[in-house]
Amino acid sequence: EAGVAQSPRYKIIEKRQSVAFWCNPISGHATLYWYQQILGQGPKLLIQFQNNGVVDDSQLPKDRFSAERLKGVDSTLKIQPAKLEDSAVYLCASSFYGTEETQYFGPGTRLLVL
Amino acid sequence: GESVGLHLPTLSVQEGDNSIINCAYSNSASDYFIWYKQESGKGPQFIIDIRSNMDKRQGQRVTVLLNKTVKHLSLQIAATQPGDSAVYFCAENYAGSARQLTFGSGTQLTVLP
Repeated sequence: EAGVAQSPRYKIIEKRQSVAFWCNPISGHATLYWYQQILGQGPKLLIQFQNNGVVDDSQLPKDRFSAERLKGVDSTLKIQPAKLEDSAVYLCASSFYGTEETQYFGPGTRLLVL
Repeated sequence: GESVGLHLPTLSVQEGDNSIINCAYSNSASDYFIWYKQESGKGPQFIIDIRSNMDKRQGQRVTVLLNKTVKHLSLQIAATQPGDSAVYFCAENYAGSARQLTFGSGTQLTVLP
């Protein structure tokens, strides 16, 4: 089966610019996650969706980050305006409803903010 | 808040030797633990998991040990191969967290020829 797809794979922007990441989860996976992984650290959860609803966005910096999953399949994560400290890998993961402990990760988008 | 941590940030082993990667967790409510492997430029890949009602679980060349008394988790890799070189993360979760994963900071495993 196809895995979690993410694009772009790499992005370089200047601070104060905006950027958007896209994720297509595994078919049939109702739960979708966005993680931020700073170099040398483990992934940190930003937001969790169940279908098109938000389950938890408590760690999402809402003054600059936003995410949506309008049709309950694909999702986009946006940063506006970007800061230097946003440089990280942004990982998308998905899971079946009811087995959220088993998450499948995409390859990630590596963001560099200059 | 609760967190999962690793004892060693880096580990180098000779090819063919066994590797042991350790992890300490602090949330006594955690009841499910997972080891992930992350190669450069890729997302974390599931290796093996264990539930809190077990002490040991074996997979192909990998074994996970859970010591709930001291809140310690370890990953043993038998006959380590060059392809095992990666960063290894342990992660924990519990039912009260909507099954969200909390990751440690990782151990970089390097396999020497």
